[in-house]
Amino acid sequence: AQSVTQPDIHITVSEGASLELRCNYSYGATPYLFWYVQSPGQGLQLLLKYFSGDTLVQGIKGFEAEFKRSQSSFNLRKPSVHWSDAAEYFCAVGGANTGNQFYFGTGTSLTVIP
Amino acid sequence: EAQVTQNPRYLITVTGKKLTVTCSQNMNHEYMSWYRQDPGLGLRQIYYSMNVEVTDKGDVPEGYKVSRKEKRNFPLILESPSPNQTSLYFCASSFRGQTYGYTFGSGTRLTVV
Repeated sequence: AQSVTQPDIHITVSEGASLELRCNYSYGATPYLFWYVQSPGQGLQLLLKYFSGDTLVQGIKGFEAEFKRSQSSFNLRKPSVHWSDAAEYFCAVGGANTGNQFYFGTGTSLTVIP
Repeated sequence: EAQVTQNPRYLITVTGKKLTVTCSQNMNHEYMSWYRQDPGLGLRQIYYSMNVEVTDKGDVPEGYKVSRKEKRNFPLILESPSPNQTSLYFCASSFRGQTYGYTFGSGTRLTVV
């Protein structure tokens, strides 16, 4: 069965520090992978996505993610965090084997301290 | 502006009183979907639609109905709401489904008492 695991429920980083949010997936074929961000009281915004090709993908707001098939991971990174990055982050997986369903992880809440 | 619009944003209702949450998109997207978000559970798909008159169940369809009579609209119907349907609901649309990722509405916070 398809699933997404985000091991970290909550992460706190200092402004200016680097960030890595973990995402592991379970999927039987080549997955489509996504990262979304949810600011308080808002809907979800797509940060970046991976379908194929270059395993390092660039997204909006200075985020990037790397697909590692051998580790079934798609971790999100940012070299220098800004206070405005405080939000909830969701990893999601879809693909040909999921029909039209789309599976989300349980999210990682990011706090940024000055 | 390209967007997915949900209404209402907030709703408090009583058990058993039928309600409809509307969802409309202006991007001519084929795919639309409803999710509920609960603490510790992430987002779970309720129903999705691949086009007009084509709908299918997601992971948690019990207690919900949907219809897709027009491409732009995808209302979520709770025929007899119960307290366990208290949640934050999101409508989303996509050009071709998962391949392109979804655009989400701002959410509807529903409380059933």
